[in-house]
Amino acid sequence: DQQVKQNSPSLSVQEGRISILNCDYTNSMFDYFLWYKKYPAEGPTFLISISSIKDKNEDGRFTVFLNKSAKHLSLHIVPSQPGDSAVYFCAASNQGGSEKLVFGKGTKLTVNP
Amino acid sequence: DADVTQTPRNRITKTGKRIMLECSQTKGHDRMYWYRQDPGLGLRLIYYSFDVKDINKGEISDGYSVSRQAQAKFSLSLESAIPNQTALYFCATSDRRTGKRSQHFGDGTRLSIL
Repeated sequence: DQQVKQNSPSLSVQEGRISILNCDYTNSMFDYFLWYKKYPAEGPTFLISISSIKDKNEDGRFTVFLNKSAKHLSLHIVPSQPGDSAVYFCAASNQGGSEKLVFGKGTKLTVNP
Repeated sequence: DADVTQTPRNRITKTGKRIMLECSQTKGHDRMYWYRQDPGLGLRLIYYSFDVKDINKGEISDGYSVSRQAQAKFSLSLESAIPNQTALYFCATSDRRTGKRSQHFGDGTRLSIL
């Protein structure tokens, strides 16, 4: 069973608008969540994270929101730029699980000029 | 220079061959990981190592083995390659001392088994 789900394989937005990428998880033991961005022919790069003791974390244009009761997190990118076009992976870990990361399948974001 | 270097970047080989993928890092991190990525399946953990003497199986370790030759080097072997091991392989590192769980990835090895 997939513990981290990204149900939208792709998302297309206009430059300057908001991009919202969603992620759901099933394991209530997860206590730390991360977003990675991946360009073609490169490895994933860390973008932003959030601990389960928080419900929001912001870093420049990127904000991650966590709703523990719904087991749902989202990544907001405002404003979106063409250079944000990439595959975004949601990942989760729990301290009791040796802090290994469990990844979702990814969402391909395309930002159109 | 890349902090996490994977070699080779691309490899085509035949079924039954033994293959080794290598990973080296200059970040001084204690933890290292091997993942594979298949289209539409995200990244799945094959093996991980928290230090030179600590090797652990991940989600999909069957058909693979690893060696942690030094803190900076972690290699992945396919003893007898099969076509369904065709995938993109990533090495990653993390540092327990930071208290952060983010991992740093190499640029991957694209492996094709014919």
